[in-house]
Amino acid sequence: EVLLQQSGAELVRPGSSVKISCKASGYTFTDYYMHWVKQRPEQGLVWIGRINPANGNTVYAEKFKSKATLTADKSSNTAYMQLSSLTSEDTATYFCTWGGFAYWGQGTLVTVSS
Amino acid sequence: DVVLTQTPPTLSATIGQSVSISCRSSQSLLHSNGNTYLHWLLQRPGQSPQLLIYLVSRLESGVPNRFSGSGSGTDFTLKISGVEAEDLGVYYCVQGTHAPTFGGGTKLELK
Repeated sequence: EVLLQQSGAELVRPGSSVKISCKASGYTFTDYYMHWVKQRPEQGLVWIGRINPANGNTVYAEKFKSKATLTADKSSNTAYMQLSSLTSEDTATYFCTWGGFAYWGQGTLVTVSS
Repeated sequence: DVVLTQTPPTLSATIGQSVSISCRSSQSLLHSNGNTYLHWLLQRPGQSPQLLIYLVSRLESGVPNRFSGSGSGTDFTLKISGVEAEDLGVYYCVQGTHAPTFGGGTKLELK
C-alpha cells in the first residue's frame, strides 16, 4: 500500500521559513515525480512544482519560483518543501502527491502569524 | 499557463440524480505521445483529494462505476450516474500534459 506521511502543522512568524516533509512508503520512491500542491482555506488547489526523486530535477510554477524549494532524499524516501519569506498569503494546507495525482499525503497546515 | 475552466461552480442534486461537470482547457491536452493527461479528483470535506478518473476516461481502482469521464482535446466531462451521499464534495479537473494546473472546482451538494 502506498502511503505518503507528511509532517505536522506549523505556526511560523512572518518573514521566516519553514520546511515540511513527505515520507513515502509502499512503492519505489524514484518511480514517479513528487508534486506539491497548495490549498488556502476554503479555496481551490494550486500546483507549486514537482521533483524527480531519481535525480533531483525540479520544475516550479512561475509564481512559486522564489517561494518554494523542493528536495528529495532517496536514502530515506522523503521529499521536502521549504517555503521562504513567509507572509499571511502563505497560510494554507500543503499536500504532497505522487503517481500522477493518484496518491496524496494528509496535508500540512502552515499558519503564518505573529 | 493552461487554464482549466470548470462549470458549473456549484451543483445541487438529489440522491439518485445523474449530473455532469464540464472542464474546458485553454489549450489542447493531447500530448505528443498520444496520451491526454486530464484527470478528475474528488475532495470530500476535511480530506485530501482522491483520484477518480485518469487519462480522461480510465476509472481508478476502487472507484464506483457510476463515475465516468469523456472528452478530447480541450473539452472534457465527468458524469455521475446516480449521485449517492458519499459523492458530496468538491470535484477538480487537473491536467498534466503541460505544467500541471487545476480547474477551479465544482461543489456538489444535496438539494
